[in-house]
Amino acid sequence: EAGVTQFPSHSVIEKGQTVTLRCDPISGHDNLYWYRRVMGKEIKFLLHFVKESKQDESGMPNNRFLAERTGGTYSTLKVQPAELEDSGVYFCASSHPNTGELFFGEGSRLTVL
Amino acid sequence: GENVEQHPSTLSVQEGDSAVIKCTYSDSASNYFPWYKQELGKRPQLIIDIRSNVGEKKDQRIAVTLNKTAKHFSLHITETQPEDSAVYFCAASKGDSNYQLIWGAGTKLIIKP
Repeated sequence: EAGVTQFPSHSVIEKGQTVTLRCDPISGHDNLYWYRRVMGKEIKFLLHFVKESKQDESGMPNNRFLAERTGGTYSTLKVQPAELEDSGVYFCASSHPNTGELFFGEGSRLTVL
Repeated sequence: GENVEQHPSTLSVQEGDSAVIKCTYSDSASNYFPWYKQELGKRPQLIIDIRSNVGEKKDQRIAVTLNKTAKHFSLHITETQPEDSAVYFCAASKGDSNYQLIWGAGTKLIIKP
């Protein structure tokens, strides 16, 4: 069974540019989450999808961040325009329907110069 | 808001010795406490978890203890091996949700040969 996959693994962009991160969850996992870890700090929750619906987006930092999950399959997280403080590793995870265990992707490292 | 504090940020132990990582949480309604391990360049993976109706759980060389009164929980690794070197994250559920987790900042565990 394929795990959670994320693309790109690393993106370097300039301030003001746009970046779109993609996450493909494990097939059959309705719950999908986006997290962010800034260097050396805690993993912070961004938002939670149940299928195509945003269940909780209380962690989204501001309106420069837009997450979508059309059709309830893969999800995208767009940052537009990117700022320096957006740099970090963006993790996607999907969860087992019964146990709630999170299965993480390898993360997308975003560097904003 | 709710938070989870994790200590130490870095822990270096001799191979074969034990390692203990401690976390405290603020939300008295939290009832689910997972631990994730992230090896260098890899994705975080669940290694053990505990629910609030249990005080201790063990799985081979790793164990987790929970003190609900004091609102803290700890990860114990005995007979450490080189492959235990990684960053370990604790988390506490937001209320009784399986899905909304509040994370600690991580502990970098270094096993010295």
